[in-house]
Amino acid sequence: QSALTQPPSASGSPGQSVTISCTGTSSDVGGYNYVSWYQQHPGKAPKLMIYEVNKRPSGVPDRFSGSKSGNTASLTVSGLQAEDEADYYCSSYAGNNYVLFGGGTKLTVL
Amino acid sequence: QVQLVESGGGVVQPGRSLRLSCAASGFTFRNFGLHWVRQAPGKGLQWVAIISFDDSTKSYEDSVKGRFTISRDNSKNTLYLEMNSLRPEDTAVYYCAKDRGSTGVTRGLDYWGQGILVTVSS
Repeated sequence: QSALTQPPSASGSPGQSVTISCTGTSSDVGGYNYVSWYQQHPGKAPKLMIYEVNKRPSGVPDRFSGSKSGNTASLTVSGLQAEDEADYYCSSYAGNNYVLFGGGTKLTVL
Repeated sequence: QVQLVESGGGVVQPGRSLRLSCAASGFTFRNFGLHWVRQAPGKGLQWVAIISFDDSTKSYEDSVKGRFTISRDNSKNTLYLEMNSLRPEDTAVYYCAKDRGSTGVTRGLDYWGQGILVTVSS
């Protein structure tokens, strides 16, 4: 099973929007609506930001949104703020009780 | 509030064994699936293993299959990871995490422990 593919970096200025992609296959991202996104600040544990493609846990700002088209999922951060600077990881259920993570994207707020 | 606290990490020689524990509180432990996820120094997240709410389903990442065993004690609200035949490439921070669901179908990991470092080195 191969890791999901994310761009290594993304950036945007405060107030702008940025979208991070996560590409898999029809056996994982494209086959199930169980894509999640996690935010990780340096030295901290990951935090769930999006689950089941486009659902936000309680307490996550609505500036964060998720979507999926075919084998590619996306996380969009609107109205970028300084505290959004972090690493972001996508994850997908891949069948047979298996989970895949993406390689991570470092988001820089310029 | 939900808390997950890992313990049992440290430095171990290649080929030896180590057992990690994760003590949980603040939720009905027996109702949810649980995971171990690791992160090598300076690297990304890597899923390691999942166990369903009732212990009926266990699954492992390919590189640890046959060497690692995930288990849980619902009477003690504790998750375990038995790691045998450890290799230098197993060096990582190991996180336990709670699934939003109960089975082997992962619905998102909504709570994570603070992580515990395992270093495999001679």
